[in-house]
Amino acid sequence: KQEVTQIPAALSVPEGENLVLNCSFTDSAIYNLQWFRQDPGKGLTSLLLIQSSQREQTSGRLNASLDKSSGRSTLYIAASQPGDSATYLCAVMGSGTYKYIFGTGTRLKVLA
Amino acid sequence: SQTIHQWPATLVQPVGSPLSLECTVEGTSNPNLYWYRQAAGRGLQLLFYSVGIGQISSEVPQNLSASRPQDRQFILSSKKLLLSDSGFYLCAWRGVEQYFGPGTRLTVT
Repeated sequence: KQEVTQIPAALSVPEGENLVLNCSFTDSAIYNLQWFRQDPGKGLTSLLLIQSSQREQTSGRLNASLDKSSGRSTLYIAASQPGDSATYLCAVMGSGTYKYIFGTGTRLKVLA
Repeated sequence: SQTIHQWPATLVQPVGSPLSLECTVEGTSNPNLYWYRQAAGRGLQLLFYSVGIGQISSEVPQNLSASRPQDRQFILSSKKLLLSDSGFYLCAWRGVEQYFGPGTRLTVT
């Protein structure tokens, strides 16, 4: 059974710092991995999708990497801003399934 | 472009009352559709998913049900709400990526 863990659970950093959020999963037979952000009281916004054949994806100040063999993905946020404050969730879809397994998220606060 | 709608945005219902939440998707055809629940301070729980009209897979047996009467319409229902049904209900669709609707905040009193 796939399990997805995100560390740390919460993170507080000063504005301008580069930071890394971690996601680990127990079953390496994945179809893809997707990172989302969730603002309080809102739905989830898709940030990046990494398919199983890819090693990384980039969008603006965000870079996500995937290492299936070690069961890990990282989300790198460059030059953090207060507007980046949100909960970040990773989700893993196993091969041959139609559903994501979500991590419990990392709550990020960027201080001005 | 694709858009996903959910309504209502908020709902307060007494215990034992029925529930119907609706989700519709625009701008795509034959999407995979999903219902999730997020309880206060907890993670995202998959309730149901559908890969086609009339095809529903249940992840949580309880007192909830789902239906997909049309290709881009997904409905979450209950005949009698429990206090434990309170939470934030999210509909999502998936083509290549998964996209979420704005959610419905349900409070059962």
